[in-house]
Amino acid sequence: KAGVTQTPRYLIKTRGQQVTLSCSPISGHRSVSWYQQTPGQGLQFLFEYFSETQRNKGNFPGRFSGRQFSNSRSEMNVSTLELGDSALYLCASSLGVSYNEQFFGPGTRLTVL
Amino acid sequence: QKEVEQNSGPLSVPEGAIASLNCTYSDRGSQSFFWYRQYSGKSPELIMFIYSNGDKEDGRFTAQLNKASQYVSLLIRDSQPSDSATYLCAVMNTGFQKLVFGTGTRLLVSP
Repeated sequence: KAGVTQTPRYLIKTRGQQVTLSCSPISGHRSVSWYQQTPGQGLQFLFEYFSETQRNKGNFPGRFSGRQFSNSRSEMNVSTLELGDSALYLCASSLGVSYNEQFFGPGTRLTVL
Repeated sequence: QKEVEQNSGPLSVPEGAIASLNCTYSDRGSQSFFWYRQYSGKSPELIMFIYSNGDKEDGRFTAQLNKASQYVSLLIRDSQPSDSATYLCAVMNTGFQKLVFGTGTRLLVSP
């Protein structure tokens, strides 16, 4: 079974720009969660989508948004990029039922200049 | 107090030894517990999960959970140099697909 895929793997943007990241979950998984990983803050939860609905949201500003499509693929958008948004963005796939483990994709490394 | 706490390490063990990684959590509503391994420059890889008090074994790995003490640990038997990585403890509340991570423990296994 194919794993979680994320595109693009690397991005370089400048402040003020916006960016869209994509995640395709494991086949049959309906939940996609997004995380930000930085050396200073570690792994932090952004939001989770299940059946095209956002079920959970972390403590990030409204510049961070996402959506999920009917095929469970998900996108994350960051508008008005700031230097502090430079991070590894990870998506995780799961069945979406309580207690189900999450499997991470390879991540998208975003650098904001 | 952080929600999930881990000693950042590094924890150094010789090849063949048992590595013991510990994690404490503050939210008593946490119901499921996960250990991820992350190599430098890579994404986290799930190695163990546990939901019930007690021990759960999978190959060289054993996860131990004590909900009363809000403590979860990971034992790695017969440690190998390839086990050298950062080990992340994560917890999840019932009904929420939100993992709360510790900052990770760096494990170094020397040949």
